[in-house]
Amino acid sequence: GIQVEQSPPDLILQEGANSTLRCNFSDSVNNLQWFHQNPWGQLINLFYIPSGTKQNGRLSATTVATERYSLLYISSSQTTDSGVYFCAVSTGNQFYFGTGTSLTVIP
Amino acid sequence: EAGVAQSPRYKIIEKRQSVAFWCNPISGHATLYWYQQILGQGPKLLIQFQNNGVVDDSQLPKDRFSAERLKGVDSTLKIQPAKLEDSAVYLCASSPWGGTAYEQYFGPGTRLTVT
Repeated sequence: GIQVEQSPPDLILQEGANSTLRCNFSDSVNNLQWFHQNPWGQLINLFYIPSGTKQNGRLSATTVATERYSLLYISSSQTTDSGVYFCAVSTGNQFYFGTGTSLTVIP
Repeated sequence: EAGVAQSPRYKIIEKRQSVAFWCNPISGHATLYWYQQILGQGPKLLIQFQNNGVVDDSQLPKDRFSAERLKGVDSTLKIQPAKLEDSAVYLCASSPWGGTAYEQYFGPGTRLTVT
């Protein structure tokens, strides 16, 4: 199956700081999503982004499918951004989640 | 629009007992997925349905896990008998179209503890 690696594994930020999370995948994919898993375990859709760039408020994402990576940018971080960020890719009928980045934003 | 519903939210059972989880996808979503998420890991796909047919169940431990989606709407996932290593969160997701290229929406999950 496809290997999906995320970096960094852990990140601690001061409120107001910016950050970049990375997702690398080992093969061509036809779907890529970014999720935020909040402290209660709910997976929340951030972006459906198999290619290109999207922005939603303080968050933006870029996927370069030909180079097999995606980036999630968080600007002006808030304590509510804390949690685990996952990227998930699919090819064929299989879906693969990455290892996650655990983000803690401190006030 | 209502989200994906799951019940129960929490379940504690002893090993060798059986357990069932229920999922109701977003109205009109043709594709339904069950995932297992072990603490500290990303979710792992167990089974995918399109309408009431199985698209992929290659990672479902079929000796103890079973799932069905009657009438192409609600779905149940059953474990019988449960083992300690089945302790995990079981997540249900749905997407509006079949195939590989569409956006998944997740329910709140069922946290299973096997003692």
